[in-house]
Amino acid sequence: KNEVEQSPQNLTAQEGEFITINCSYSVGISALHWLQQHPGGGIVSLFMLSSGKKKHGRLIATINIQEKHSSLHITASHPRDSAVYICAVYMDSNYQLIWGAGTKLIIKP
Amino acid sequence: NAGVTQTPKFQVLKTGQSMTLQCAQDMNHEYMSWYRQDPGMGLRLIHYSVGAGITDQGEVPNGYNVSRSTTEDFPLRLLSAAPSQTSVYFCASRPGQGHLEQYFGPGTRLTVT
Repeated sequence: KNEVEQSPQNLTAQEGEFITINCSYSVGISALHWLQQHPGGGIVSLFMLSSGKKKHGRLIATINIQEKHSSLHITASHPRDSAVYICAVYMDSNYQLIWGAGTKLIIKP
Repeated sequence: NAGVTQTPKFQVLKTGQSMTLQCAQDMNHEYMSWYRQDPGMGLRLIHYSVGAGITDQGEVPNGYNVSRSTTEDFPLRLLSAAPSQTSVYFCASRPGQGHLEQYFGPGTRLTVT
C-alpha cells in the first residue's frame, strides 16, 4: 500500500466547475506539500500545510491531521488550471518527503 | 534570482555512456536533492545534500553519483547509462532545517538507447 495516495488519478471537468483533489496518507507527518506540474514539466509549490486551511486566489488547501487527509480545491476552474497536482508529505520522524503519484486535471473550455 | 537551474534540458545517451547533469541554485539554500520522475509514479529521491561536503543516498541511488563542493552546485553523474535510467530528472533545493518548501529546477529529459 502506498503511504501517500491521491484521488482521483485523472479528472476532466468543464470550465467553471469546482474541483476537489484528495490526498490521504498513512504515516505521521510534520507537513504536507501541494505542488503543481504544468504540461511543460516545471514543478511549482502551491501550499505547505501543517494544520487548518490556506487560500491563495482560487486555490484552497485543507488538512485534517486526525483523519490523515488533505484536499486541494479549485474554484471557478479555468483551462489554464490544467496540470498535474502532486501531494507530498514530510514524515515527522526524519523529514523524509514521500510523494503521491499525482492527479492529472484537464479543464475543458 | 535565477532560482534553480538545470542543464541540459534534453539529452540522449547510448547505453554505457557517462554524463553529468548540472544543477545550480542562487538562493543560498543548504538542502539540495535530485529526483527522477517516471510515468505513473511519484517522484523518487536519488541523492540529497544537507550542505557543502555532505551528501547521502535516497531511495534509488544505484548508478548515480553526486558531490557538493559548493553551496550553489549539486551535479548528478550517471556512471554507465542504462535504458532503465530513461526518465525526467529534477533538481530541488530548500533553505534548510525547518524550512520545508522545495524549489524545483525545470527538469532534464534523459533518454538512454
